[in-house]
Amino acid sequence: AQKITQTQPGMFVQEKEAVTLDCTYDTSDQSYGLFWYKQPSSGEMIFLIYQGSYDEQNATEGRYSLNFQKARKSANLVISASQLGDSAMYFCAMREGPYDYKLSFGAGTTVTVRA
Amino acid sequence: NAGVTQTPKFQVLKTGQSMTLQCAQDMNHEYMSWYRQDPGMGLRLIHYSVGAGITDQGEVPNGYNVSRSTTEDFPLRLLSAAPSQTSVYFCASTVSGTTGTQYFGPGTRLLVL
Repeated sequence: AQKITQTQPGMFVQEKEAVTLDCTYDTSDQSYGLFWYKQPSSGEMIFLIYQGSYDEQNATEGRYSLNFQKARKSANLVISASQLGDSAMYFCAMREGPYDYKLSFGAGTTVTVRA
Repeated sequence: NAGVTQTPKFQVLKTGQSMTLQCAQDMNHEYMSWYRQDPGMGLRLIHYSVGAGITDQGEVPNGYNVSRSTTEDFPLRLLSAAPSQTSVYFCASTVSGTTGTQYFGPGTRLLVL
């Protein structure tokens, strides 16, 4: 069964607008971590934001925030005030268990920011 | 710190050839791993290591071999390359006992003819 599901293959967003990227996950562990990575056209994987399963507050890092809804098993990434440099592929990933660092990735969402 | 480095950046192999993809990190991270990225499938874990001398299989280990003789290096060996191994390979590392945020190398693009 797919552990991470990203249902939006591609999205267009206008510059300066906000965009939400969907991510749902499947795990029976109580302790887990959720990550978002950005992959620009140059190919490198850039860490954006982390949310632990026991974190009560939604994670934020600059213009990135993670909308964590534990009961729904969703961890959506919100990018505020989109910039042209935000055009990239975005991956949601999960590690399960407190000491297991193996990551399961979703298929990714391509974001294109329009001027 | 150079972070996580990978060599080569690009490689073309013929079916049946063997090669080693190099990965090194200078952050003293105990945990290192190899992923492959194929179109439309995200990244999948090949092998990982929790420390020098300890390795284990991930989701797609067949056709690959690893070893971890030092904390810094984690090479990935293709024993007999097949066209199905055409992919982009990423090495990553993290510090154990933390959030587990993994930091990735720049990737190696491999084409098997």
